[in-house]
Amino acid sequence: DAGVTQSPTHLIKTRGQQVTLRCSPKSGHDTVSWYQQALGQGPQFIFQYYEEEERQRGNFPDRFSGHQFPNYSSELNVNALLLGDSALYLCASSLSADTQYFGPGTRLTVL
Amino acid sequence: GQQVMQIPQYQHVQEGEDFTTYCNSSTTLSNIQWYKQRPGGHPVFLIQLVKSGEVKKQKRLTFQFGEAKKNSSLHITATQTTDVGTYFCAGDTGTASKLTFGTGTRLQVTL
Repeated sequence: DAGVTQSPTHLIKTRGQQVTLRCSPKSGHDTVSWYQQALGQGPQFIFQYYEEEERQRGNFPDRFSGHQFPNYSSELNVNALLLGDSALYLCASSLSADTQYFGPGTRLTVL
Repeated sequence: GQQVMQIPQYQHVQEGEDFTTYCNSSTTLSNIQWYKQRPGGHPVFLIQLVKSGEVKKQKRLTFQFGEAKKNSSLHITATQTTDVGTYFCAGDTGTASKLTFGTGTRLQVTL
């Protein structure tokens, strides 16, 4: 039984570019949450998707958007990248509001 | 907005010594979860506490949820080098599992 998977593992972009990160939830899970973890800090909640809709959103600008597909996988899109967007982006899946299981993350570096 | 603080920020112990990290939320929580993140890794779920005053044990780890459901602690007895990592508490106010992570406590264990 595969756990949460994310792609790509690492990504380097330049300021102003756009990026798409992908997440496949653990089998049987229907909810995907995205978090941003800056170096030395705790993960910060970006948003959560359930039934293909954004159910909750943290304090992140509209440059951060997402999508959930019918197979429950999800994408995180970030437009107009800033240097401050450099971080580890974590996806967590759960069955509705149950325990969240994290994927290995995507390390994004913005130059 | 909701804030979750942890102390200490960092602790260095010798193997065999005990370790405790404390977590305090600015708001009442519906539940609190604990995660461990190894260097270079992703958060791994340890436990969830739901009831006021709840105490749970996992081998050498003891977790406690405060009576007011605003604070929690994690105590490790007789630390081992495998305990190295950052321990995060994450509070849930019950709004569809929007987790607010604490600032984390980094534990270093030496022989």
